[in-house]
Order: sequence, then C-alpha cells, then structure tokens
Amino acid sequence: QQQVKQSPQSLIVQKGGISIINCAYENTAFDYFPWYQQFPGKGPALLIAIRPDVSEKKEGRFTISFNKSAKQFSLHIMDSQPGDSATYFCAASNTGTASKLTFGTGTRLQVTL
Amino acid sequence: DAGVIQSPRHEVTEMGQEVTLRCKPISGHNSLFWYRQTMMRGLELLIYFNNNVPIDDSGMPEDRFSAKMPNASFSTLKIQPSEPRDSAVYFCASSLAWGTGGELFFGEGSRLTVL
Repeated sequence: QQQVKQSPQSLIVQKGGISIINCAYENTAFDYFPWYQQFPGKGPALLIAIRPDVSEKKEGRFTISFNKSAKQFSLHIMDSQPGDSATYFCAASNTGTASKLTFGTGTRLQVTL
Repeated sequence: DAGVIQSPRHEVTEMGQEVTLRCKPISGHNSLFWYRQTMMRGLELLIYFNNNVPIDDSGMPEDRFSAKMPNASFSTLKIQPSEPRDSAVYFCASSLAWGTGGELFFGEGSRLTVL
C-alpha cells in the first residue's frame, strides 16, 4: 500500500516537445506529492510539489496534474530542453503522520536536439 | 550556503571491511535521512532521525548496518562487515520541519564499491 508506481522507465523527447511522466499510488492517506530531479553524479533536488486540494500546479515549464479520484499524478515538461535531461522521481507521503517519503522508481529523460 | 556535505564521495573496499559514511546536514535542519540508490531498487530510505533521535529504521537491511547521529551537525552510516551487494550510492538528506511537507535537501552521495 506504500508503493508509488512510476512510468515510463525511460523517455526520449525531441527539443521543444512535451515530456509526460506518470505516477500512481494506493495509499489514500498520502497528501503530499513532490517531484525530484536528479542529474548524473548529483543528489535528487526538489523540482515541484502538489497537495491534493488542487488539481494542477504550474511552475515555469513544469506542471503537475493531480487526479485524486484516480489516485494518479503526472509531471508535464513543456518545451523540453536538452538541459532537462535527467532522472525524475515522483514521491508521496502522509504529512499528518510525518510518514516517510516513498519514491517512485524513476524515469530517465533524454531530450534530443 | 553550504548544502548537505557527505564524505567520502567514493569508497572502494574489500568484502568484510568496515565502511563508515559521514554526513553533515544543513545547519538548522532538524531531520536527517539516509537513502540508498541502486539501479535495481531505486531510492530506498534506510533510516531517518528527527532532532537527533532515530524515528524509523525499518529500511535498514540487516544488522550489519547501523546509523548514529550524536549531534545536530553530524551523522554516520556504518556497514560492518561490508558485502558486494552493499555496493550502491548512499545519500544523506536533511529537512527543516519534516512532517509538514518539508523539502528534502540531498547531498551529492557516497558511491560505495565492495569488491
């Protein structure tokens, strides 16, 4: 019940295209859904996060869409750039119980010229 | 501002040896986390501390692993004896006000290779 399932495992997008990464969860108590970005040789860094009281959050070219009834959320990267090439992790936690952050398995994104 | 500082960045050791990984969290952060990253299992939480007290160590794989946080500015993860299957990148992360959706700040990791 603590799992967060992420897809696809890898993604190749042309420069200027839209990158979409999907995640699904089971635990209805989760109320915090961040996305982390990791470049090779570096630790993950928070990219954007959402709480279930909104269905969408946008920061620049990055948007999280959240579907509470389906227990799914996704990351959209608009106008993808080669500099966006990285591994992206979705995650979820129940802040009410200060539960640990459960990460998805990661998506390796490559943006080609 | 200095981020989370981990040492060593790379460690190569032989099976059976003791390995100690070190972490200095961001000053003022009251929660500290140790993660392990492998291709097969992704990011796994090993243990986390709140105000220097271990809260959840259910992710520690076995008794060969131990972690301490003697003060707010230092933590260690020890593996004794080490085995080849322990080869991974170990990340330390810290957070302010964890439990309210606080951001995790990760270090650059310690890459461990056990021969």
